[in-house]
Amino acid sequence: DAGVIQSPRHEVTEMGQEVTLRCKPISGHDYLFWYRQTMMRGLELLIYFNNNVPIDDSGMPEDRFSAKMPNASFSTLKIQPSEPRDSAVYFCASSPTGNSNQPQHFGDGTRLSIL
Amino acid sequence: AQSVTQLGSHVSVSEGALVLLRCNYSSSVPPYLFWYVQYPNQGLQLLLKYTSAATLVKGINGFEAEFKKSETSFHLTKPSAHMSDAAEYFCAVSLFGNEKLTFGTGTRLTIIP
Repeated sequence: DAGVIQSPRHEVTEMGQEVTLRCKPISGHDYLFWYRQTMMRGLELLIYFNNNVPIDDSGMPEDRFSAKMPNASFSTLKIQPSEPRDSAVYFCASSPTGNSNQPQHFGDGTRLSIL
Repeated sequence: AQSVTQLGSHVSVSEGALVLLRCNYSSSVPPYLFWYVQYPNQGLQLLLKYTSAATLVKGINGFEAEFKKSETSFHLTKPSAHMSDAAEYFCAVSLFGNEKLTFGTGTRLTIIP
């Protein structure tokens, strides 16, 4: 079975540009999570969805960040305008519905560099 | 609120030696606990999970972990390290009814030939 698919794998862009990261969760998974990983802050949960509805966005750093999930098979994380401090690896993960003991399945991440 | 603490950001062991990665949790209710592994340029993969059944949990690649409530610990062990075990390891906790995972800061495991 295909795992969580993220695109692009690498993104390099200049400060001020809009950045869109994409994620396709595992089919049948009802939860989708966006994380950011940096050396300084480790792995941070930004936002998560249940059945395409945002449940908790308390980890979104500021209004420059937005996330959508228009359908069960696609989600985007957008940064506009981007800043150098947004440079990080962004992961998407999904998990099936049910108890909170279900593990999350991670994509390979998008390595974002803002110049 | 729940949290995990991983003791030691870097651990080095010789090939064939015991691997011990430490994780302590803080939770007001019985937690669910997970160990994930991250290889370079990859996402996190589940190694094993504790969900209130057996306290000794066996995972993939020969790893296991023991839930000790009295010590609030969930340490990860492997009897004999292999070069392919070199990676970063994350302990994580969630609570019943809450799908959010709280991750530790990670432990980078280096295997010495």
